[in-house]
Amino acid sequence: AQSVTQLDSQVPVFEEAPVELRCNYSSSVSVYLFWYVQYPNQGLQLLLKYLSGSTLVKGINGFEAEFNKSQTSFHLRKPSVHISDTAEYFCAVSEDTGGFKTIFGAGTRLFVKA
Amino acid sequence: SQTIHQWPATLVQPVGSPLSLECTVEGTSNPNLYWYRQAAGRGLQLLFYSVGIGQISSEVPQNLSASRPQDRQFILSSKKLLLSDSGFYLCAWGGESYEQYFGPGTRLTVT
Repeated sequence: AQSVTQLDSQVPVFEEAPVELRCNYSSSVSVYLFWYVQYPNQGLQLLLKYLSGSTLVKGINGFEAEFNKSQTSFHLRKPSVHISDTAEYFCAVSEDTGGFKTIFGAGTRLFVKA
Repeated sequence: SQTIHQWPATLVQPVGSPLSLECTVEGTSNPNLYWYRQAAGRGLQLLFYSVGIGQISSEVPQNLSASRPQDRQFILSSKKLLLSDSGFYLCAWGGESYEQYFGPGTRLTVT
């Protein structure tokens, strides 16, 4: 069965600094990987997705993620964060067995300080 | 383009009262639909998913139920709410590449 582990529950960072939010997954089959962002009292919004092909995936708001199959990781990065990036970020995995269900990590709260 | 609606946005209900939350999707047909609950400061718990009208799969045994009376309508219900039912309820529909698109959520407080 698949599982997702987000290694940091909170990440404080100063504005304009780079950030990496870490995600590891476990699965015995091929997977599809996603990052979502949630602003306070709102639903989740898709940031980016990896389905196949290039392991470096670019998403919205300047975020990118790299799929590393050998390390079963899908870390999210941004070279320079803004105050407006303060939010909860969720890593998610869906197994290539029909795709009806997606498992979400517990979330990482990114707090950008001025 | 596709749009997903949820209502109400917030709800305060006493313990033992019934519940009905509604989700509707526009701009797509025969979507996979999902109900999630998010407890304060925690991740998402999948409650139900549906691949078609009248087809409901339950992920967590509890006092909640779901129904899909129409292709783009998904309803979450309870006959008697518990304190532990408090949380942020999110409806989502599934895209062709397994991504999910979420509604704005309903904040439920059971008192």
